[in-house]
Order: sequence, then structure tokens, then C-alpha cells
Amino acid sequence: DIQMTQSPSSLSASVGDRVTITCRASQGISKSLAWYQQKPGKAPKLLLYAASRLESGVPSRFSGSGSGTDYTLTISSLQPEDFATYYCQQYYSTPITFGQGTRLEIK
Amino acid sequence: QLQLEESGPGLVKPSETLSLTCTVSGGSMTSSSYYWGWIRQPPGKGLEWIANIYYSWDKYYNPSLESRVTISADTSKNQFSLKLSSVTAADTAVYYCARSDYTDQSYDYWGQGILVTVSS
Repeated sequence: DIQMTQSPSSLSASVGDRVTITCRASQGISKSLAWYQQKPGKAPKLLLYAASRLESGVPSRFSGSGSGTDYTLTISSLQPEDFATYYCQQYYSTPITFGQGTRLEIK
Repeated sequence: QLQLEESGPGLVKPSETLSLTCTVSGGSMTSSSYYWGWIRQPPGKGLEWIANIYYSWDKYYNPSLESRVTISADTSKNQFSLKLSSVTAADTAVYYCARSDYTDQSYDYWGQGILVTVSS
């Protein structure tokens, strides 16, 4: 199985801050990576796929980059509605695996 | 607008079989462009992929659960289902059904989730 390790596990930031979350795969995944946002009591919401492609309707302040084993999610200017938990997911090979999550909290 | 909705018992006894159904509306399951899958999330924890199905015959399982899991689909009803046998308290989770693109297997549509508690 491909292990996905996110860092940090939690993060405190303020509205307007630029935030970066990292996801590292245990082997190369050829940009077969998605990012999700999850709010309490809700299903995850797809933000980006193929490492850097923005899902329709997702604000452009969200961006993704990376290749090989290392990937990042960047929020350019945090908005109040962005405080949530973020997960990466690899779909390069089965079993599909998720990172453990990064909880983004208000400072 | 595509919608997915999970249904099934919210309480299952230990050693019994958990059975859930996902009903798809606003679109057809017979499109060649999508997988349909199940993902679960124990309370306060992260996401775990369970299984995917393509049409009704191509099935993929998480090896950690494969001996206990069956995914199936009834495309005439636009539904797919999950059965998980010999459940224990460790199977207590919110179970989500979702759709993923066939090429980029990211999940773009999700159900709202159903909490299944395993307890006697």
C-alpha cells in the first residue's frame, strides 16, 4: 500500500494568511493526487485533482503543486469558510489511500 | 445535479453483516466514465477507502477488508450496495458512497454519509 503522510497535522492561522499543507507519498504517484476539504458533520468536498487541477466551482485561492512523492496544497489568502480539515488522496494504485488529515484552525 | 444517498440500518450487532445501499439520482450509473465507491470514517478519525465498482462487474477492494466486503450494483435501479460481514466495534463509522472519474479517480460527488454503530 502507498502511505500518504500529511504535515502538519494541525495548523493555526488567521484570515488573510497564506497557508501550505504538504502531502508525501511513500512512493512516486505521478500526480495522481486529490485534495479534499471536510467540515464537521459533512462529506469531504473535492478541491483539486491530478495534483493541480482545480475542481469546478472551487475558488482560485486554492492551488496545488508537486510531483513524484511530494505535493502541496496552498491557500493564498485564508477566508473564514476555509477553516476545516484537509485530506490528500492518492489514486495511483489500489488500495486508494488518504492522508491522515490536517486540521486548519483559526488563530 | 447528481445526488447520492446512503440508506440502511444505523445499528448493527457484533458478528452480523452491515448492509448499505446508495441511490443515485440526477444521473445514470451506466456511464462509462465513472467508478462508484464506498469510503468510511470512524468517529474523529480519517478516511478509509473500502471498495469501487465499475458498471456492475469490475470490482476493486481494499485488501484490509476484502475478506469481509462485497460491493454490487443494480444499474436498473441506479443503486449500488455494500455488505460487510462479521462486524466488530472497529467497523463503527460514517459510511459514504461517492462517484469518481474513471481516469482521475478523485471523488467528485459524495452522499451525506450514514453513521453505522456496531453494538449489542
